[in-house]
Parts: sequence; C-alpha cells; structure tokens
Amino acid sequence: QVQLVESGGGLVKPGGSLRLSCAASGFTFSDYYMSWIRQAPGKGLEWVSYISSSGSTIYYADSVKGRFTISRDNAKNSLYLQMNSLRAEDTAVYYCASFGACTNGVCYNGYFDYWGQGTLVTVSS
Amino acid sequence: DIQMTQSPSSLSASVGDRVTITCQASQDISNYLNWYQQKPGKAPKLLIYDASNLETGVPSRFSGSGSGTDFTFTISSLQPEDIATYYCQQYDNLPPITFGPGTKVDIK
Repeated sequence: QVQLVESGGGLVKPGGSLRLSCAASGFTFSDYYMSWIRQAPGKGLEWVSYISSSGSTIYYADSVKGRFTISRDNAKNSLYLQMNSLRAEDTAVYYCASFGACTNGVCYNGYFDYWGQGTLVTVSS
Repeated sequence: DIQMTQSPSSLSASVGDRVTITCQASQDISNYLNWYQQKPGKAPKLLIYDASNLETGVPSRFSGSGSGTDFTFTISSLQPEDIATYYCQQYDNLPPITFGPGTKVDIK
C-alpha cells in the first residue's frame, strides 16, 4: 500500500538548519508531483513547497523562499526539504504529500491524495 | 494571491444532522477546490476533489458543490466518526496553493 514516511524533525535553535526526508513506497514515486505542507501547533494547514515529478519545476511559499530548498531523488524514492535560517515561526508538524501524477500520458494534479504522518520541527533557544 | 475563507469556524451538531460548511475564494477559481478532513493528531485526508468529486473509498454522506468563488461541503447525516476539522484548498494559478482556515465539527 502507499506509504510516505517523514523523518529528520527535532529541536533546533533559531538560525539553525535541519533536513527533512520523506521515504515513499507502494507507488511509482517518479510519476508523482510532491509537496511539503506544515501545521503550526493548534493552527491550520500551510503549503510550503512543490516539486514536479522530474524536479524541473519548483515553487515555494513566500514565507520560506530563500531559506528552504526542496529536492527529490527518484532513484531512492525520496523527497527532501533542506531548512536553513530557521525561525520560531517555522515550528510546526511538516507533512509530505503527493500532489498528482502523470502516468502513461494521463495527468492529474491539484489535490493532495497521499500524506505522510508528519514530523515535528521545533525552533527554540 | 488567492485568499480562502470558511464559515463557520466551528459548529456543533447532533448525530444524524445535515452539516454544511462554506468556502469562499477571493477570486474565480473555477472548480479547482478540494476538501480535506483532519482528525486530531492525524494527517489530513482528501474527501472531495475538483469541487464535487468524491475520492475513492469516502462515504457517500460527504458531498461538495460550487464553482467560481463560492463552494459548499455537506455531510448529509453526521456520524460520531466525522468529528474533525475540515479544510478547503484551492489550486488555481499556483503558486501559492492555499487552504482555508478550517471548520471544527463536533457533536452536540
């Protein structure tokens, strides 16, 4: 079955860095567009970043642009989020999620259909 | 950027009640609107995509409608397992992808 498993969260000081990983299984990862979404404690959902299936197209939310970098390794079925210059307001549960796919020339996108369980990032001194 | 609003922010209803949540976009987004359910401590789950399409495996008591700027999500007969927060999400002209602020549903 489809599985997305995030790792790499933890406690980090303001200004520090962290790299999140998301291991995918149960589907053809290289066909899928992927995203990171976060949720601050007690708050709503905030989209963070998007990467196309090949990695050629990348988008970021303004709140993380210039500080976070999304990447993927299709050979390893893995998605990553490098987070630098972390701030207290980056404290959140970070989810990886699929955002559509192209399979055999048929494409769909726009909705997050598979989600991981999330990994907590806490930025605090 | 397209802003999403939801109302109400919370509601309390009885088992068996019909529950309706509205979502409004700050500009026309056609039918590029999805609905998610999030239970406490869990990841969100896709329920409705493209405004009115029921995701595979989702009970038929959930439905969605609307286009343009105004959308509605309905639970036809509220069940105890439907206690959750519900979010709308738009994907027209991304980036960014934006979510509504959520509607918390509980049992009266």
